[in-house]
Amino acid sequence: AQTVTQSQPEMSVQEAETVTLSCTYDTSENNYYLFWYKQPPSRQMILVIRQEAYKQQNATENRFSVNFQKAAKSFSLKISDSQLGDTAMYFCAFMKLNFGNEKLTFGTGTRLTIIP
Amino acid sequence: KAGVTQTPRYLIKTRGQQVTLSCSPISGHRSVSWYQQTPGQGLQFLFEYFSETQRNKGNFPGRFSGRQFSNSRSEMNVSTLELGDSALYLCASRSDIEQETQYFGPGTRLLVL
Repeated sequence: AQTVTQSQPEMSVQEAETVTLSCTYDTSENNYYLFWYKQPPSRQMILVIRQEAYKQQNATENRFSVNFQKAAKSFSLKISDSQLGDTAMYFCAFMKLNFGNEKLTFGTGTRLTIIP
Repeated sequence: KAGVTQTPRYLIKTRGQQVTLSCSPISGHRSVSWYQQTPGQGLQFLFEYFSETQRNKGNFPGRFSGRQFSNSRSEMNVSTLELGDSALYLCASRSDIEQETQYFGPGTRLLVL
């Protein structure tokens, strides 16, 4: 079974600064996807960024980027120029491709607070 | 395109009752998954439906069941509610083309008293 570990329960950073959230995972699979989801106080789970394991290039979405280290099974999220609206719980998630029988396995989350 | 919608948003029930939650996926999405989120257990996969058939199931007791209709709308039912069933229930849908990405609804918060 796959496991996802987020070792930072809480983090805080000043507005406009850069912050990195850590995630490690354990799998014997080769073909999988990794995701970062954001869950603000409204509770809606929002996709931030995704990474395909077979792609070496790190994914980037505007101020959000990842550092994907496949051999180390590490998948960190970097938020640049942080904004107050980035305050939320951030979940790292894993999905192996299984011919339609896919499901997300989530980490325990990191609560990120952006300080004005 | 409208996102995933869930009804009701909030629900209060008492132990022993049953409850039905509803989820409407993004238009064109045929897959609907359900997740339970609690402070103690985190986010856990319940089951997935595709074209009215359950094709994946998590480790939950038989009190948790679901179904999917021909328009891809899905319902989740929990019978004989227990205090521990208090949780945020999230529904997610995905398309046939972009199978790896799930889009979540706002959730239904269930409180069992």
